[in-house]
Amino acid sequence: AQSVSQHNHHVILSEAASLELGCNYSYGGTVNLFWYVQYPGQHLQLLLKYFSGDPLVKGIKGFEAEFIKSKFSFNLRKPSVQWSDTAEYFCAVNADGNNRLAFGKGNQVVVIP
Amino acid sequence: DTGVSQDPRHKITKRGQNVTFRCDPISEHNRLYWYRQTLGQGPEFLTYFQNEAQLEKSRLLSDRFSAERPKGSFSTLEIQRTEQGDSAMYLCASSLELGTGILSNQPQHFGDGTRLSIL
Repeated sequence: AQSVSQHNHHVILSEAASLELGCNYSYGGTVNLFWYVQYPGQHLQLLLKYFSGDPLVKGIKGFEAEFIKSKFSFNLRKPSVQWSDTAEYFCAVNADGNNRLAFGKGNQVVVIP
Repeated sequence: DTGVSQDPRHKITKRGQNVTFRCDPISEHNRLYWYRQTLGQGPEFLTYFQNEAQLEKSRLLSDRFSAERPKGSFSTLEIQRTEQGDSAMYLCASSLELGTGILSNQPQHFGDGTRLSIL
């Protein structure tokens, strides 16, 4: 079964600090990878996705993620966070034809002004 | 707003009662998914439809859970004889899929969810 691991469930940092959130998955075959973000009181929104090609993908709001196949990882990064980046971030993996997403537990990120 | 719509936003009910939630997907989307999210966890897949066909339901949590999408548009999720452990956020998502049995690159679009509280 697919499993997705996200560490450091709670992250607190100051504005302008750099952010990196780790995501590791267990499936060994071809995968599609996603990061979703949930701002307070809002629904899950797609931040970025990887299907194939360049392993460094860029998403909205200055976020990027790097797919490292040998490490089964898809880490999310932002060089300089803003207060508005306060949200919960979820990594998700799709590894079968049903497009059934397996989510990690999420990272609660709080950015202090 | 033409996103995924879920109704109601909140449902409070007594243990043992039946509840039904509705999801209206993005209009052109042919796939519809149901997930459940409990506190401190990511969404957990329950079932999905392609048009009106329910293609996967083995992850439904028990036989008290059922879902329908009779006309291939909106969907309902019903929980019979609710239990305390059913308290959670129930999320609906939709996507436009061009085939079956292939690894899709289409992202899922999520609704705001229905928060269920069992007294």
